[in-house]
Amino acid sequence: ETGVTQTPRHLVMGMTNKKSLKCEQHLGHNAMYWYKQSAKKPLELMFVYSLEERVENNSVPSRFSPECPNSSHLFLHLHTLQPEDSALYLCASSQDRDSFYEQYFGPGTRLTVT
Amino acid sequence: EDQVTQSPEALRLQEGESSSLNCSYTVSGLRGLFWYRQDPGKGPEFLFTLYSAGEEKEKERLKATLTKKESFLHITAPKPEDSATYLCAVQAQDDYKLSFGAGTTVTVRA
Repeated sequence: ETGVTQTPRHLVMGMTNKKSLKCEQHLGHNAMYWYKQSAKKPLELMFVYSLEERVENNSVPSRFSPECPNSSHLFLHLHTLQPEDSALYLCASSQDRDSFYEQYFGPGTRLTVT
Repeated sequence: EDQVTQSPEALRLQEGESSSLNCSYTVSGLRGLFWYRQDPGKGPEFLFTLYSAGEEKEKERLKATLTKKESFLHITAPKPEDSATYLCAVQAQDDYKLSFGAGTTVTVRA
């Protein structure tokens, strides 16, 4: 595997379900990010991890819970979601958070909440 | 607060018909401006980084330019495979976060 991978690619869940999204980066980067992309809207930054420490929680509802067990893996745990949470969830990584480095994105997980 | 506005929202081109996309930005000290390409159902793919006004970068049929208030992505003699959504993002000097525009969706017809 190369670059940034995400699983699953598609997920349909009911509002009472609990599920998790997984992201893995194979680039040796130290920073990882979760973004939400809704139709016709700019990407919204949700969480940032730098060296496994959460450094940003961008006013995201508590029904989204991130986890970063090591610098290569990032999870987004989902529970009791709302239909408006349906979107494309993108994971990204960069070499470092504080320096000027471009972010590389995974293919995303298309989430539908019914 | 940083702001990024992309125009037009959508652009339909005939193969070979050159055009430009605009990214206007407001930021308190620009650290860098990024261009990404996003195909349907996929994540954004990094294209260019521009650091200062006057800078230009090229990749195949794409050329990105930067001024103090805006960036242009020029598509020269586009082909159908250039069809995608093009995203612009800025990073401020005192911040590590990227602020994205909503994108321009380009459709190139054969």
